[in-house]
This record gives sequence, C-alpha cells and structure tokens, in this order.
Amino acid sequence: GAGVSQSPSNKVTEKGKDVELRCDPISGHTALYWYRQSLGQGLEFLIYFQGNSAPDKSGLPSDRFSAERTGGSVSTLTIQRTQQEDSAVYLCASSYGGGLNTEAFFGQGTRLTVV
Amino acid sequence: AQKVTQAQTEISVVEKEDVTLDCVYETRDTTYYLFWYKQPPSGELVFLIRRNSFDEQNEISGRYSWNFQKSTSSFNFTITASQVVDSAVYFCALSEGGAGNNRKLIWGLGTSLAVNP
Repeated sequence: GAGVSQSPSNKVTEKGKDVELRCDPISGHTALYWYRQSLGQGLEFLIYFQGNSAPDKSGLPSDRFSAERTGGSVSTLTIQRTQQEDSAVYLCASSYGGGLNTEAFFGQGTRLTVV
Repeated sequence: AQKVTQAQTEISVVEKEDVTLDCVYETRDTTYYLFWYKQPPSGELVFLIRRNSFDEQNEISGRYSWNFQKSTSSFNFTITASQVVDSAVYFCALSEGGAGNNRKLIWGLGTSLAVNP
C-alpha cells in the first residue's frame, strides 16, 4: 500500500482479555518497528523486525507481550491478559533496510484502552 | 546513556510568529543520527529531517530550518512565519547504533505547538 496501515484504529478491551494489533508495512520495506506511546511518556521502543526475525526484542515490557511477522510483511503484536497500564497508542513503523540512516514511516496507530 | 531532552512541553504562538523548538541530546557514540518528526492530531508521525553527526551544516526547507551544534549537543528546529497547520506535537529523536542491523530511536517527550489565528 501507499503507507503503513494499522488495524484496528481503536480497541477497547476488558482487563484480562487478549488483544491482537495488526500492522501492514509499506511494500518492500524489510524493517518493521513497534513503539508504544503513552500519555506524557513519549515513544517507547518495543520490538524491531528485520525480515521475519526480531533481532531486538528488548523493549517488550513483559512476557505478556509478543510479536510476529510473516512473509516479511504483516506483523501482529499480541498482548495477553491485558492490564490497565497497557492502555496506550501502539505505533508501527517500517523502513527500507534497517541501517542507521534509514528513516521510518509510521502508521496512525492503534489506540488501546483497557477497562 | 543516550537521552533526548525537549525542555519545552507546550508552546503557543500567534500565526506568522517565528518559533524555535529546542532539542538537546546525550550520546557517547561518535556516529549517530538526529531526527525531527511531526505528529499532527491525526496521530501519524511524519518524518521532517534526518541529520548525521558528521554534517553540521544548517538546513533550510521552506519555512523550516534546523540548527545542529555538536558543541552544545543541540539540534533545534525553527518554524518561520508559523501557520495554523503547523499545530502539532514535534518530536526530536536520536538513533542508537547497535550490532548488526539493530536500530531504534531514542525519543524526546515532544513539544506541543499551538499556532493560533
């Protein structure tokens, strides 16, 4: 597609439920990133994919968080047993290659609210 | 440790005023990149500029200009003759090098700019 697409745009879930957030990167972009943006917290790195592998998962906050990428394209971020502190905007970005000087293109994010 | 500080949380100006958004960074790397992104109310982060640590030339793009000074570890962003459409949150970010193809950005907390008519 023309840009990075994320779905759903908004998700309200009950505490304890599992959620899946989807990211469709720009076609041909090999690198994919997930970030979390909490109110007043700025952007927090979660995980980075190069192709289907994730060389850097250091930002995942707990083992309730996992992500996968298939076919070098679509990625899914899964949060199990959601907690209220998981409420945030989850942003996905993609870039051509993963080198230091590549710019990332962001989607509009998924706003997750855990009630 | 690597860190990006945007000391101005919120700025409010009247249309046509010039405004400068400050960004100060900390890094021990000799090779690094600095970025500015704009986040309008729609939520999508929009890339504005990338600058590498070896290029201290200031850059101008239309009404936007950037002043990179390694001596003060600053990468400030100026909007000349601001417009209402410039209202957004602006983020400064620093690239963090790593082994192999690892790459992630260290972000400032953002400056919320309101341009009033």
